[in-house]
Amino acid sequence: QKEVEQNSGPLSVPEGAIASLNCTYSDRGSQSFFWYRQYSGKSPELIMFIYSNGDKEDGRFTAQLNKASQYVSLLIRDSQPSDSATYLCAVKSGGYQKVTFGIGTKLQVIP
Amino acid sequence: GAVVSQHPSWVICKSGTSVKIECRSLDFQATTMFWYRQFPKQSLMLMATSNEGSKATYEQGVEKDKFLINHASLTLSTLTVTSAHPEDSSFYICSARVKGANSDTQYFGPGTRLTVL
Repeated sequence: QKEVEQNSGPLSVPEGAIASLNCTYSDRGSQSFFWYRQYSGKSPELIMFIYSNGDKEDGRFTAQLNKASQYVSLLIRDSQPSDSATYLCAVKSGGYQKVTFGIGTKLQVIP
Repeated sequence: GAVVSQHPSWVICKSGTSVKIECRSLDFQATTMFWYRQFPKQSLMLMATSNEGSKATYEQGVEKDKFLINHASLTLSTLTVTSAHPEDSSFYICSARVKGANSDTQYFGPGTRLTVL
């Protein structure tokens, strides 16, 4: 079982819609969760991090964490074509320095 | 956010030569940096964790004698690919750990695309 699982996609949504990206993880001791955006040929860019159960909002982005279900998601409201990228979910277990990345979900926002 | 730079952004070299990639934290001190490799259409693969002033910790399957890592200062880590071969061609990305009062995150450099002929 992979430590961090994501559907590789592509996930296609029309412009203006809500894009929902999902991630599950296997280590119940995980404490920190991150979403990165990676454009083709570029390095990842941190979008959000979340540590506590519930929702965390930042502009058009909302991260949702459910530790009981070992599930973290990213919602993008009012999706724009510029949001088209691969979104990487990353998980860090307590006490460890390294972060485990999922394979990423490719999002395509159709104008 | 924290700024991490890498140099060079791309490099082409002949098989058998060595290539050094630099990773710098520009506006903060990074006691921990990470080196990743990413092949086309694949996820990031952690190669090693670099702690300032100590030996790097390599992930399983990564040859420490081939991928030399030096973290000599709080703002600079280097990765040297020794005796490079075509199969080493990849996108190499460093990241720096940033610990704040309420956060513990990684910020990535722009990456170095290595092509070995």
